[in-house]
Amino acid sequence: DAKTTQPPSMDCAEGRAANLPCNHSTISGNEYVYWYRQIHSQGPQYIIHGLKNNETNEMASLIITEDRKSSTLILPHATLRDTAVYYCIVCKPYGNKLVFGAGTILRVKS
Amino acid sequence: GAGVSQSPRYKVAKRGQDVALRCDPISGHVSLFWYQQALGQGPEFLTYFQNEAQLDKSGLPSDRFFAERPEGSVSTLKIQRTQQEDSAVYLCASSFSGRGTGELFFGEGSRLTVL
Repeated sequence: DAKTTQPPSMDCAEGRAANLPCNHSTISGNEYVYWYRQIHSQGPQYIIHGLKNNETNEMASLIITEDRKSSTLILPHATLRDTAVYYCIVCKPYGNKLVFGAGTILRVKS
Repeated sequence: GAGVSQSPRYKVAKRGQDVALRCDPISGHVSLFWYQQALGQGPEFLTYFQNEAQLDKSGLPSDRFFAERPEGSVSTLKIQRTQQEDSAVYLCASSFSGRGTGELFFGEGSRLTVL
């Protein structure tokens, strides 16, 4: 599975959009981009995933560049409860394990 | 409950003791995963089951680690002769898909401290 690169940490003001970048320049054609987050002392939580089209759900939006070498997770109106570690993961659709990196620590501040 | 349940939530063991960690996946979920998470790091894959079959155990760090899922539902991760480096949070996740990934549902983890 392709590796991903994320900034170690980011700050965001409460109520503002949080844009979390991820580079995955070695992604192959059948690999999906997944985002999970982990709030302190909890297990990781699925957020969203996509292949090449932009995706949106009740939690977030995922923007994938046309060449698929990078993506951005957007939390449209960040709240204090969105403070967490956000993991960008690239894997095949039927791969049997997620490979987590270090992720991005997002701190939402009032 | 509707989520993945893990027990115990916290376990303190003396070096050399054996420990067993239990995972109750979401009912009907075919795939089950175990991950190990050291302090300040992302989760690392240990092993994967599809029903009762252990299809991938490439992440188990040594032969002291053993996992089973005999009836394709509840799973147990056993660590024999625990060492201090085994101290970590052990996460269990399940997925409805029988083909692996997709959306994984994680439990809250079992925090193991080896003294």
